[in-house]
Order: sequence, then C-alpha cells, then structure tokens
Amino acid sequence: EAQVTQNPRYLITVTGKKLTVTCSQNMNHEYMSWYRQDPGLGLRQIYYSMNVEVTDKGDVPEGYKVSRKEKRNFPLILESPSPNQTSLYFCASSFAGLTYEQYFGPGTRLTVT
Amino acid sequence: AQSVAQPEDQVNVAEGNPLTVKCTYSVSGNPYLFWYVQYPNRGLQFLLKYITGDNLVKGSYGFEAEFNKSQTSFHLKKPSALVSDSALYFCAVRDQGTGGGNKLTFGTGTQLKVEL
Repeated sequence: EAQVTQNPRYLITVTGKKLTVTCSQNMNHEYMSWYRQDPGLGLRQIYYSMNVEVTDKGDVPEGYKVSRKEKRNFPLILESPSPNQTSLYFCASSFAGLTYEQYFGPGTRLTVT
Repeated sequence: AQSVAQPEDQVNVAEGNPLTVKCTYSVSGNPYLFWYVQYPNRGLQFLLKYITGDNLVKGSYGFEAEFNKSQTSFHLKKPSALVSDSALYFCAVRDQGTGGGNKLTFGTGTQLKVEL
C-alpha cells in the first residue's frame, strides 16, 4: 500500500530534550516536506527536500533541523524543544512537478512541557 | 505572496442537502488549487485539484469544485451531503513559481458538520 508513515504518533516531552520524528514514504517520491498544524493557522511548511541531500527552509524553520540521506526517509529533528513547538506535525511527499498532489502522513502530536 | 482564505470556520448542513465550502485565493500567476479533507486523528487526504482546463473538477467521494478565475474562488461542493462527510476541509494553492518542494499554502480550514 502506498503510504507515508510517521513515528511516533504521540509524544510528550520536556523542554530541551532532543527528539526526532521519523518519516518514511514508499512511493519513490522526490519531494518531501514537513508541516505543522496549529488552530486558526492551517498548515505551515517547516522544511522541504527536493531530493537526497537537498533540503531547504520553509516558512517556519526556526528550532528545527532535517536531513535527507535516503530518498524514502526525511526525519524532523528538534535539538532543544520549547513549549511553542507544541503542535501537530505532518510529513508529506510528492513526485517532482507542480501538478502533483502531496500525500500526507497520519500526523505526530507533540507536546512540550 | 500567495494566500488562501476560507471565510467560514464551520458549515452546518442537513444530510441529503447540497453543501458548499468556500475558498478564495491570491497568487501572482496562474494557480494550482487543491482540496484536502482531514478526519479526526488522521492525516490529510487529497480530494481533488485544478490545474488547467474545465472549470468544474470532479474528485473523490462525490465531491466537486468550481474554479472561477474572475472571482479567484475555488468552492468545494457536493450535491447531497452524508453524515460521514463531517470533517475538516482545507483549501490549498500552489503558484507556478519553482522551488519550495511543491509547497502548498493552506487556508485555515472549514469544519463541516452534517446532521441527520
């Protein structure tokens, strides 16, 4: 089954404790992105990758890191999480080309206390 | 900069009645427009897209959307609503500029509630 998977689905952590949210897709997509969803704000892009070893900042990159060492994986790293990073996070992937829709993972609900 | 507006936070409709979820957009060039649906505790699911061509686009689960360039709108419609259509709906736009990894700019979402 074609899908984007994320782990963990739920995470509660404390301020400053490094964490990684994994994302994997099995559709051989070139493009991958991370979004955060906050009430009243919709989804905003954090980082994106257009291929292996090619990553760039989205609209809200502060406090996040990413890497793309393999085509299928695109982990999101929070080196020192803060309470304002409490949010619902989605990984997405698509083929290269502007007409292609993005496929989204199930989401990771992160709470930073 | 591109933007999307969904003017209604919530839309209520009776089952069997037609539904409309409104969306307007702003881009510098020609838009690529998308609708996604989010069910509780699930990711976003793609419903339909407008790229070019016919202004009426048909998508999944009986949904359709009408592109209106003069009004910069892309309203989502369904002729007969079902209780199972109750969910959060997002409109999104991508302009034709390259880069951003196919970034979508999303509206704030519209909660659709279909009642018996």
